[in-house]
Formats: sequence, structure tokens, C-alpha cells
Amino acid sequence: AQRVTQPEKLLSVFKGAPVELKCNYSYSGSPELFWYVQYSRQRLQLLLRHISRESIKGFTADLNKGETSFHLKKPFAQEEDSAMYYCALRSGGGADGLTFGKGTHLIIQP
Amino acid sequence: GAVVSQHPSWVICKSGTSVKIECRSLDFQATTMFWYRQFPKQSLMLMATSNEGSKATYEQGVEKDKFLINHASLTLSTLTVTSAHPEDSSFYICSASPLTETSTDTQYFGPGTRLTVL
Repeated sequence: AQRVTQPEKLLSVFKGAPVELKCNYSYSGSPELFWYVQYSRQRLQLLLRHISRESIKGFTADLNKGETSFHLKKPFAQEEDSAMYYCALRSGGGADGLTFGKGTHLIIQP
Repeated sequence: GAVVSQHPSWVICKSGTSVKIECRSLDFQATTMFWYRQFPKQSLMLMATSNEGSKATYEQGVEKDKFLINHASLTLSTLTVTSAHPEDSSFYICSASPLTETSTDTQYFGPGTRLTVL
């Protein structure tokens, strides 16, 4: 069975400091990994996915198959980054649902 | 961008009654829609995958007779919680994947429906 683990329920950093949200996964095949973000009172939205290898809002995430990790990083946190972040895994293509981690609440202090 | 709506946004019902939740893709067609459930302070759990014109695929542990899913068109999927009980109280979220060649793997999420069963 596949599983996504986000070890930190809450992460608080100061504005301008680096941010790293941890995500580890368990899956026997080749997964697709995603990061979703949910800002206060808004719906869940895609932040980035590993196949795109892109940087969105200054965030990047690299899939490390050896460590089965997909940590989310940003060098300089901004107050508007405060939100709930979910790491998610999909085992197949577009027809498969997502397996989510429990989420990390990121708080950026001024 | 692709927008998914849900109706109602919240509902309170008595134990034993049935509740229907609608999920609509407003500006795109979706052959596949997904239903998730989120308990307080917990993550989203996939309940079922809804395919237009065919039976839904339920995740292990989800009662298909309890949670009826109908995907009658490319823009509408409904989830009916039958004979609801207090333990069914939760936040129900749907998502949809656009029917396009380039973005079939993107899921767009609805705002969710808060169900409270008294």
C-alpha cells in the first residue's frame, strides 16, 4: 500500500528564513509526487509536481528516489507563504486518485 | 482556470436521512472525478473514483451502498450519503481532471461540503 508521511504538523519560521517541508513516501512502483497548498479559507490548489521540475512562487521540490523523499524548499520565506501544505502521491495516470500526507501548517512570522 | 464547484457548501441533517452533494466542473469537461473525505485535523482520504457513464470505483473500506456516486454527465458527479449517521459527519471534497490531451493528469478541487449529522 502507498503512504505519504509529513512528519511536521506545524512549522514556524521567520520571514526571510529558509523553509523546508518534509515529505517521505512509500510506494513500490514509480510514483508521481505533488505538493498542494491550501491558503486560509480557500480550496486546495496544486503548487507543483515533480515531473514538471519547475519553481512556483519560489518553491522547489526534488524527487529523491533513494531516500523516497520529496521535500519542499524555499530559500527565503514570505508572510504570504503561510498556509497548509499537503504532499500527495499518485500511483498511476490521470485516472488515479491521490494519496495525501497529513499536511504541514506553515506559519511565517514577521 | 479550471473551476470546480460543490453544492451545498454545508448541510445539517438528522440521523437516518439521506444527503446529496453535487460536484460540477464549470468550464471544462471531466471524464473522471474523485471524492475525498477529510476529518477534522486529518488529511484527505480518497473515497472513490467516479467515471462518466460507468460505475464508481470505491477505495477499500468505503461502503458503496452507503455512499452512492452518480456521474451522469461530463460536468456533474453526485455523492449521496444514505441513512446518514453522526459518524458520517465530515468535510467532503471533490476534484476533477479535465478531458484534454495535455492536462489529463491535473486535478482541480472543489471548495468542499461540510456535512453535520445530528
